[in-house]
Amino acid sequence: AQSVTQLDSQVPVFEEAPVELRCNYSSSVSVYLFWYVQYPNQGLQLLLKYLSGSTLVKGINGFEAEFNKSQTSFHLRKPSVHISDTAEYFCAVRGGYQKVTFGTGTKLQVIP
Amino acid sequence: GAVVSQHPSRVICKSGTSVKIECRSLDFQATTMFWYRQFPKKSLMLMATSNEGSKATYEQGVEKDKFLINHASLTLSTLTVTSAHPEDSSFYICSARPPLAVQETQYFGPGTRLLVL
Repeated sequence: AQSVTQLDSQVPVFEEAPVELRCNYSSSVSVYLFWYVQYPNQGLQLLLKYLSGSTLVKGINGFEAEFNKSQTSFHLRKPSVHISDTAEYFCAVRGGYQKVTFGTGTKLQVIP
Repeated sequence: GAVVSQHPSRVICKSGTSVKIECRSLDFQATTMFWYRQFPKKSLMLMATSNEGSKATYEQGVEKDKFLINHASLTLSTLTVTSAHPEDSSFYICSARPPLAVQETQYFGPGTRLLVL
């Protein structure tokens, strides 16, 4: 079985400040990890993914995430957020041939 | 990027009626489509996987006679909630995967909010 935990349901942050959205996972097999973003009234878009190789993954819109196997984490970071980053962010995991499991989402609110 | 649409975006219906939700891949052919359900403050829960031209595969605990899925073409899948009840009120999201795509590639629709009175 696999699971994903996003501890923060909402994260307010001032514009141009850095942000970290936390994601922890559990799986009994090797994992693939994903971050999706959902803007208001739009579908989920893939932000970035870790399949193998370098543990630091860069995605679209200046976001990056680091896979930490020992801490079973895949936190999402951005050094300077913009108003347009206001959205809901979902972490997801797929272990082996298992289906993708999504976290409960974190709403990022960028304050001008 | 690939676009997936859903129709309607919102629907309100009376208890006991059936509601059909459409999921279309607009600029690619989708051999596989997925239907998810999302409750408030909960994660997306996979309901079923449908492959074009074959019966859908339902996840454990999902009533296949209540949630009818049809994937009649490479660009259209439909979810029909039959004899809807208030507990079926939820946010339904579809996603589509192009042929030959790696398994984690999915393009999501914007979702359909269903309210059953």
